[in-house]
Amino acid sequence: DTGVSQDPRHKITKRGQNVTFRCDPISEHNRLYWYRQTLGQGPEFLTYFQNEAQLEKSRLLSDRFSAERPKGSFSTLEIQRTEQGDSAMYLCLSDRSSSYNEQFFGPGTRLTVL
Amino acid sequence: AQTVTQSQPEMSVQEAETVTLSCTYDTSESDYYLFWYKQPPSRQMILVIRQEAYKQQNATENRFSVNFQKAAKSFSLKISDSQLGDAAMYFCAFRRDFGNEKLTFGTGTRLTIIP
Repeated sequence: DTGVSQDPRHKITKRGQNVTFRCDPISEHNRLYWYRQTLGQGPEFLTYFQNEAQLEKSRLLSDRFSAERPKGSFSTLEIQRTEQGDSAMYLCLSDRSSSYNEQFFGPGTRLTVL
Repeated sequence: AQTVTQSQPEMSVQEAETVTLSCTYDTSESDYYLFWYKQPPSRQMILVIRQEAYKQQNATENRFSVNFQKAAKSFSLKISDSQLGDAAMYFCAFRRDFGNEKLTFGTGTRLTIIP
């Protein structure tokens, strides 16, 4: 257990439905990243928060995706009108900017879109 | 943009033997970090070892060590005295030293330990 939690761990949804994932990082970590990992691939960067500010979004993050980090604590990633291509593992990375030894991934949320 | 290449999709090693996983990367940056991550089946990804590009000395963490060749842009991972618990996907990753320090990952190497 790295101290980073994600909820839910698994989500099965039908195409066209909206889904929301949550990540709770380590409390003193001010940086939070979302990654997406498809089967047989390495994780791909989606978006990055420093405190509550969303500083960068990948081109992978279409307008159906939105992420928030209110008050610089937990973060949510919402996917609207899900498509089968959204099926993947969504990973959260918690990081403290002052130390590169403190990067911890959460367990991930596995999304299956039917 | 940075790219990370892992040319070995699968590797296997006998228990107690040594195995080396390869990684090459491409960047125009001079200051950066390189990492090896381990992702066991259905378990969380964890950091195995990291290397700062400005350091000439290769990083070592117990049975894990790296061979960092900056000019060749090569960053291999050596696992000594392989154990059954080392079986996992191993990802090489790059991170620049400023700005949005996102990780760029390779496609991974699946390591099997043969008892």
